[in-house]
Amino acid sequence: GAVVSQHPSWVICKSGTSVKIECRSLDFQATTMFWYRQFPKQSLMLMATSNEGSKATYEQGVEKDKFLINHASLTLSTLTVTSAHPEDSSFYICSARDLRGGSPLHFGNGTRLTVT
Amino acid sequence: KQEVTQIPAALSVPEGENLVLNCSFTDSAIYNLQWFRQDPGKGLTSLLLIQSSQREQTSGRLNASLDKSSGRSTLYIAASQPGDSATYLCAVYGNEKLTFGTGTRLTIIP
Repeated sequence: GAVVSQHPSWVICKSGTSVKIECRSLDFQATTMFWYRQFPKQSLMLMATSNEGSKATYEQGVEKDKFLINHASLTLSTLTVTSAHPEDSSFYICSARDLRGGSPLHFGNGTRLTVT
Repeated sequence: KQEVTQIPAALSVPEGENLVLNCSFTDSAIYNLQWFRQDPGKGLTSLLLIQSSQREQTSGRLNASLDKSSGRSTLYIAASQPGDSATYLCAVYGNEKLTFGTGTRLTIIP
């Protein structure tokens, strides 16, 4: 089945540093990838929709200058948390939609970010 | 804006019982609905996917139904087992977005 690889699976960083999270579709091409954030004991909240070759579309309330999204190829999207602060500590999950269309979306295993 | 609600937020039942989890959504213009399970600190495992034209899907002990017109879906789990303990999330896909529900934390008591 379709596989989405997300890396790293966990990361600890100091406040003020930047962290990059990668999301790769391994056996399919994805024109669209989605980034979600999940706080403890809460559901997943869509942060942004990433389209290959164009700017990402951010959800209301998500700072685009803080959460930089790049979707440079049909198999890779990256989320960079810039100048991370403890309140950015969360579980980040990406999902990808196959270029050929249809459903379901395929999910990565998530990245646990802890900012100290 | 699509809003997805799951009731109950938490549920504990003895092993062996059948149970139903509920999901409701405000905008019926959806493409499909998915049920996921999430174990603590882990990613998502897709359980069942129902297309908007379908009314139910079954996989093993799981059965999911969809009533698009009323904005509701249910996940039925038969003969529950301790390994079923997890958080269950429903998500609706429409308007190019996947919107997740609030989740139900299920505990099966041995």
